[in-house]
Formats: sequence, C-alpha cells, structure tokens
Amino acid sequence: ETGVTQTPRHLVMGMTNKKSLKCEQHLGHNAMYWYKQSAKKPLELMFVYSLEERVENNSVPSRFSPECPNSSHLFLHLHTLQPEDSALYLCASSQEVAGGRRTGELFFGEGSRLTVL
Amino acid sequence: DAKTTQPTSMDCAEGRAANLPCNHSTISGNEYVYWYRQIHSQGPQYIIHGLKNNETNEMASLIITEDRKSSTLILPHATLRDTAVYYCIAVSSPGRRTQGGSEKLVFGKGTKLTVNP
Repeated sequence: ETGVTQTPRHLVMGMTNKKSLKCEQHLGHNAMYWYKQSAKKPLELMFVYSLEERVENNSVPSRFSPECPNSSHLFLHLHTLQPEDSALYLCASSQEVAGGRRTGELFFGEGSRLTVL
Repeated sequence: DAKTTQPTSMDCAEGRAANLPCNHSTISGNEYVYWYRQIHSQGPQYIIHGLKNNETNEMASLIITEDRKSSTLILPHATLRDTAVYYCIAVSSPGRRTQGGSEKLVFGKGTKLTVNP
C-alpha cells in the first residue's frame, strides 16, 4: 500500500468511448503525475500538476485530458483513443517543498491497465 | 539529466547479496542518483537516492564512486520478492525546476533482476 490509489485497475474501451481514470493520494502531497507504460517501452511522463496547476504537458495528444480538482485527486479523461494507446497508466505523487521545489521521491499507484479495441 | 547505463538482466541466489551496477559517466555535480524498482504489474517503488556519500536505508545500500561516474545498489540478502526491474536515474538537484517548470524523472529500461531459490 503506497498511499496512492488508482481506479479502475483494468479498463477496456472502444475507440469512440469516453472514460476517465482516477487517482487519489492519501499522503498529503501537493504534486501529482501521470505516466504511461507501453509494452516493452520505458515509462513516459505525460503530465505534472503542482499545487493543482499543470506545470508539464509532455507533448501528449489532446485525446488525453487531465484534471486536478484538488491536491488529492487527479483524473485522466480519455476520448476517441487509438489501439496504440493501450498501456498501463500510472499515477504518482510527491511533496513540493518551500520555494516551489519537489523531491525526486515519487509514490506510485498500482496503475490502470487500459485496452483500446 | 545524465544518461545512465545498466545491464539488461542479472541473476542472484536467494539469501545472497545482489549488486546492481549503474554507469552515469556524464553526471553533473548537482545531479542525484535515484533508484527505483518495479515488481511485475505494479507501479515503481522508490528505493534510495544519493549525491556523493554512500547511503543506506532499510531496503538497500547505495555505493557511489568517488568520481561519481558509477554507482552500485546493494540488496544485502535478496529474497524472491526482490525479483523486479531496477531503475537507476540521474536527476538534477531534487526539486529544482528545469525549463518547463518541473524536474523530469526519466526512466530507462533498467535491469531485470531475477532472484532464484
């Protein structure tokens, strides 16, 4: 138990569906991240939120839309995805310290396994 | 951030020490060395990090060479549950914001460690 919970753990969707992935952290952290892990590829950073403000968007297609309503919750809204978007989507959190700096110690959830048909 | 090089795979006998090497010959003075591991079908887990001095915690020890061009993660008494992919990452001063507003924790392919009974 890492203190970061992701739901659903598994999701199958068609290319025309709209779905959302949810992440909740119980660690009191104020920075949250979305990573993508495709088969046989390294983890790719998608989005970073710091104090609920998006500070990083790593050239992610607009069919992925993140939302961070508060420091404990992070969503990834999905629509009109492609089969190549099938992957493990990982959420992580960390603590931002004084001066806007964050530690390199990230706490990851167990991921949401997405399959796009 | 400096590129790191790790062996693709390693084997270790249960109960013995596992020594995982990492080369980071282009590391700069303000870059930390972070180690994470990812057990199959789970999110990555932070293990340890260091700058210049050797570090030890309840999970592992980190030995960094004097010239900082390489490091070794040591699991003193490997168990079957330590079978995982281990990632060595060089990260600029934890929390220092790079251009774009965040540090980037870039995961490579890591070392697949198999602990055998």
